[in-house]
Formats: sequence, structure tokens, C-alpha cells
Amino acid sequence: GNSVTQMEGPVTLSEEAFLTINCTYTATGYPSLFWYVQYPGEGLQLLLKATKADDKGSNKGFEATYRKETTSFHLEKGSVQVSDSAVYFCALSGTPGGTSYGKLTFGQGTILTVHP
Amino acid sequence: DTEVTQTPKHLVMGMTNKKSLKCEQHMGHRAMYWYKQKAKKPPELMFVYSYEKLSINESVPSRFSPECPNSSLLNLHLHALQPEDSALYLCASSRLPGGGNTEAFFGQGTRLTVV
Repeated sequence: GNSVTQMEGPVTLSEEAFLTINCTYTATGYPSLFWYVQYPGEGLQLLLKATKADDKGSNKGFEATYRKETTSFHLEKGSVQVSDSAVYFCALSGTPGGTSYGKLTFGQGTILTVHP
Repeated sequence: DTEVTQTPKHLVMGMTNKKSLKCEQHMGHRAMYWYKQKAKKPPELMFVYSYEKLSINESVPSRFSPECPNSSLLNLHLHALQPEDSALYLCASSRLPGGGNTEAFFGQGTRLTVV
């Protein structure tokens, strides 16, 4: 079945530091890939997405590139802010017509804390 | 409007109570989902409705009963819950079943505590 593996957290950074959160996946076919963010006490918000190989998703200074050859979708930001402190989830959606169609598969989540 | 609205935000219920969680979206999405999230864990899929019909039930205990009255509404009826059912319950919707090339939009969740 499909699976998503995220780097272990928590991650603690100083403001303006560079952020990388690694995400790799296992899936058949051509899944879509997502990064969701969850701020304390809230639901999940879509941060960015990519639907095919070599697509780059970007939003609010965050970027991730869909790398089929390495089955990866690493999240990066050049300069983090205190307000970026949250839990970040990498996720995939199965190929239409496949047995996993209709399900989001999440990674374990990475807690990011940014200090002033 | 890209909002999924869930009510109530917080709910405390006894193990003999019956309560319902409600979810509403007006984006014209035809797939709606219930997820359960425990603290510091990723969401776990419970149910998927496609075109108002239940398409996926992830072996959820019968004390959880979903209902989709129309394309904009999704309910989760709760009865005889256990303390271990305490969690954040998230509703989501997407344009197509599975959101193959479309993302799922999540509500803010209902924080449920079973006492």
C-alpha cells in the first residue's frame, strides 16, 4: 500500500534560518503530493501541492518539488519566521482508479518551533 | 468561499450520551470525509462519502454513524463512546472523490472529550 515517511522531529530553528523537512513516499502509479500545516488548536490547511513529476509547489515562501526518481517531496523555506511554528504533514493522494483512490495517506508530522 | 465549517468546536459528552457533529461546505465538492486525530499524530481516515453515498468505511466501530443528508452537509452521530474516543474530529471535502488532482479542504475540527 501507499506510505509516507517524514523526517523525525521536533525541529527547532532560529528566526531567518533555512528550513528543510524531508518527505519520501511509496506509491504505485502517479500520486498527487501535498504539504499540510496545522497551527495549534486548528485544523489542517493546505500549504502546497504538486500533481506530477517535476512539478514545484510553492506558497508563502515554502517550496517543494515532486521528484519521482527519488520518490521525494521535501519542504523548504529560505527564511523561517516565528509564525511558521506549527506541525507540518506530508501527504499523498492515490492514483485515480487505483485501490487507494479516495484516501489521503499522511506522514507522521514534523513539529517545527521557530525562536525569535 | 473555500471554507469547511464544523460545529461544535468543543464537545464534552458522557459515555451514555448521544450527540452529533456537523460539517458544511458550499464549494460544490462531491466528496466529503471524516478523520480522527489524536494528539501529536496524523489524521486517520474514518469515512468517505462520494456523491452522498458512503464509499469508504475504515472499519470504524458502529458507535460512530455517519450521515450525508445532501451534497453540502455531513454529520457524524455518536453514541455510547469510550474515553479513548476522545480526539479532534476533522471534516474535509474535495472536488472529486479522492482528490486525485485536487486538494482536500479541512474544517477546524471538533475537539471531543468523552468522560
